[in-house]
Amino acid sequence: GAVVSQHPSRVICKSGTSVKIECRSLDFQATTMFWYRQFPKQSLMLMATSNEGSKATYEQGVEKDKFLINHASLTLSTLTVTSAHPEDSSFYICSACRAVHPYNEQFFGPGTRLTVL
Amino acid sequence: GENVEQHPSTLSVQEGDSAVIKCTYSDSASNYFPWYKQELGKRPQLIIDIRSNVGEKKDQRIAVTLNKTAKHFSLHITETQPEDSAVYFCAASMVDGNNRLAFGKGNQVVVIP
Repeated sequence: GAVVSQHPSRVICKSGTSVKIECRSLDFQATTMFWYRQFPKQSLMLMATSNEGSKATYEQGVEKDKFLINHASLTLSTLTVTSAHPEDSSFYICSACRAVHPYNEQFFGPGTRLTVL
Repeated sequence: GENVEQHPSTLSVQEGDSAVIKCTYSDSASNYFPWYKQELGKRPQLIIDIRSNVGEKKDQRIAVTLNKTAKHFSLHITETQPEDSAVYFCAASMVDGNNRLAFGKGNQVVVIP
């Protein structure tokens, strides 16, 4: 159990276009999902916390109008990178917490490699 | 907010030897400390975690120790194998009721056959 999927796994787009990334918890309900960005050889940088049915909470320095997050159901959160530019190229990873898990364990998706040309 | 420091940044060990990675955290209210292993281009995988009400936890070749007074916790890998080569991240929970984690910068472990 506790499987998280992401789609797509890899995307290449032109500068100025928007890209949507989906994060799904396949076998559990996730009231909270997280979106991270990871640059090569660097750590996971938390971008935002997404709670089902409410607005996402963004970390300091993350533009909420550029990185649109929607958590429409207990199993799906989406991240849309709007007007993508080359500097947005990165590895985007989501994670999810079980609704009633006693610990803070986060289950990670496989990540999405975004390349903006 | 929580600040997690991780040392060393790179660690090379001979196969069969032990590896130890240490992390320090700043918020004494943190109560959950997971360790994740990430292979190149793949997702982080939880390998062990510890809650603040215990001082040590072991799972086969992997153990974690927690010193709440000093605010540090360490990952111990014994009898290292080549497949242990990866980047290891420590994390500490942020006490805001939202299950957020603050991650360390990661440690590249290289096990030399």
